[in-house]
Amino acid sequence: ETGVTQTPRHLVMGMTNKKSLKCEQHLGHNAMYWYKQSAKKPLELMFVYSLEERVENNSVPSRFSPECPNSSHLFLHLHTLQPEDSALYLCASSQDWPAGRQETQYFGPGTRLLVL
Amino acid sequence: GEDVEQSLFLSVREGDSSVINCTYTDSSSTYLYWYKQEPGAGLQLLTYIFSNMDMKQDQRLTVLLNKKDKHLSLRIADTQTGDSAIYFCAERIRYGGSQGNLIFGKGTKLSVKP
Repeated sequence: ETGVTQTPRHLVMGMTNKKSLKCEQHLGHNAMYWYKQSAKKPLELMFVYSLEERVENNSVPSRFSPECPNSSHLFLHLHTLQPEDSALYLCASSQDWPAGRQETQYFGPGTRLLVL
Repeated sequence: GEDVEQSLFLSVREGDSSVINCTYTDSSSTYLYWYKQEPGAGLQLLTYIFSNMDMKQDQRLTVLLNKKDKHLSLRIADTQTGDSAIYFCAERIRYGGSQGNLIFGKGTKLSVKP
């Protein structure tokens, strides 16, 4: 499945580093999402963008900063992260937001992040 | 509040049927989904069911919905080693500020033994 791609696939960073995660969707969708997947916890929705505007921000610490320059690209800028931020970060897209009745979200493969 | 519960592990033998169970809390949910996550990959939509249905069958997959008990199950017939993955149940929020968003369970890790 190459509809939603994410880079890098793996990232190791120190707590003082600044890095960015990138997501690109090739599906012509209007909505994009960032999720955090930690071990033994449900997927946590972090941000939602619809037509390049942020429509949802679920109490995410400011050390995570999203950016959506156009409807195909989504970034997650990271700075001064903590070890507990280590997780798999998944990007997803859907045709619209709120998603239509039968719509679903299409996920990328994720970026495995380790914060030392 | 919104919550989706699943057991964390299931182990079956190749060729047997697997049944993965899920309970959800939002009785107004219109769609319920099953996603599959293979190692190192993102989530892949397997199937979904609309809330006015009791059952949906798609090849080896059968989804059963008991709306009264808010219980959803996924049955995989003739389970193969390639079915080994984590299976996530998700409900779609119908009302409120999170309308349209998906609430996921923690996932059930299915291990298929040859």
